[in-house]
Amino acid sequence: QSVLTQPPSVSAAPGQKVTISCSGSSSNIGNNYVSWYQQLPGTAPKLLIYDNSKRPSGIPDRFSGSKSGTSATLGITGLQTGDEADYYCGTWDTSLSAALFGGGTNLTVL
Amino acid sequence: QLQLQESGPGLVKPSETLSLTCSVSGGSISSRGYYWGWIRQPPGEGLEWIGSMFYSGNTYYNPSLKSRVTISVDTSKSQFSLKLSSVTAADTAVYYCARHRSGSDYFDYWGQGTLVTVSS
Repeated sequence: QSVLTQPPSVSAAPGQKVTISCSGSSSNIGNNYVSWYQQLPGTAPKLLIYDNSKRPSGIPDRFSGSKSGTSATLGITGLQTGDEADYYCGTWDTSLSAALFGGGTNLTVL
Repeated sequence: QLQLQESGPGLVKPSETLSLTCSVSGGSISSRGYYWGWIRQPPGEGLEWIGSMFYSGNTYYNPSLKSRVTISVDTSKSQFSLKLSSVTAADTAVYYCARHRSGSDYFDYWGQGTLVTVSS
């Protein structure tokens, strides 16, 4: 059971938009930065979003991140079949002095 | 371009110690502002942070694994290592090494991962 809560799965049609939520508490998301990772089948996770809403070089602006209070959201617009993957949120927990990952959300592009 | 590569045995017997090394190339392991971390992923499950270490020795460990984990850095070889003692089948996972940004706490460069199976 992860400290950070994500929906197990989401789905949407090609070209549509989807959002993935990540819920935590004041000791983690509420007072620390959130990052998001994409894990394509059989590959290592890839950083998509850092510092709540910043995109590393090479990540298209179809991917966006936001944070409000103790929750964060990843948005993906213009869905493509290549976006089918598992998505994880991450942050630091100040009380635990530990890095945390959400349980992961599997995205299906129908 | 920074690259990380894990190496070590793919099979470890129960109760023994799992040992992995991550080799860093294309950048300095002594970079200010970055830790070097280990993350694992059991088959079909999510990501679990194991721990991270700064090149000078400051270390953070997952509280649930702390009693069994040791992470060390060899700056002369540009490598860092993971030791996990008293392993059981529950420690079977793909183990990733990654660069961990201090303060923002994101992992920006990852190794490809190595599967370690605990079995007799």
